[in-house]
Amino acid sequence: GAGVSQTPSNKVTEKGKYVELRCDPISGHTALYWYRQSLGQGPEFLIYFQGTGAADDSGLPNDRFFAVRPEGSVSTLKIQRTERGDSAVYLCASSRTANTEAFFGQGTRLTVV
Amino acid sequence: LAKTTQPISMDSYEGQEVNITCSHNNIATNDYITWYQQFPSQGPRFIIQGYKTKVTNEVASLFIPADRKSSTLSLPRVSLSDTAVYYCLVDTGNTGKLIFGQGTTLQVKP
Repeated sequence: GAGVSQTPSNKVTEKGKYVELRCDPISGHTALYWYRQSLGQGPEFLIYFQGTGAADDSGLPNDRFFAVRPEGSVSTLKIQRTERGDSAVYLCASSRTANTEAFFGQGTRLTVV
Repeated sequence: LAKTTQPISMDSYEGQEVNITCSHNNIATNDYITWYQQFPSQGPRFIIQGYKTKVTNEVASLFIPADRKSSTLSLPRVSLSDTAVYYCLVDTGNTGKLIFGQGTTLQVKP
């Protein structure tokens, strides 16, 4: 596709459930990022991949959050035992390399009820 | 990473030039200054990036004084569609980590 694609666009889940959020980056982009955005706030960094490896996961809030990018393209953000405080828009971005323009997807709006 | 400070909100009218200033007193030698724009229900979109002096593209201009402790995003002749949140970021470009503040909510009125 032409841009970064995120699925699903909306996800409602019950507290305690497990969720997976998917990101399809722009083809050929080696860098991939996950952010979380709460209402009225700027995006908050979660994790950055360079290729298949997580180059920086310092933004993951706790061990309930995990992300993978096994083949260096598609990435999945996994959240275990979801809590109401996890409700936010989860944004994915990709760039050709780490120091070039980042392109963001539309985000996945996660609501934990 | 350097912290940035920018106004929470600004109002303007169609056709006016809008200047949004961002302070980044602790910017490091290797840091670049980047501005992103975000519309409701969309991800941020890159607008412009610079290191020093002036950068101009088809969307905006970025002015950076010699001490690089601040920068000004200039939007010429804004329209209603420029209503958005504008974020100023500083980063080395090598970490891959973009640190967003609260941004400046620009409201353009008819």
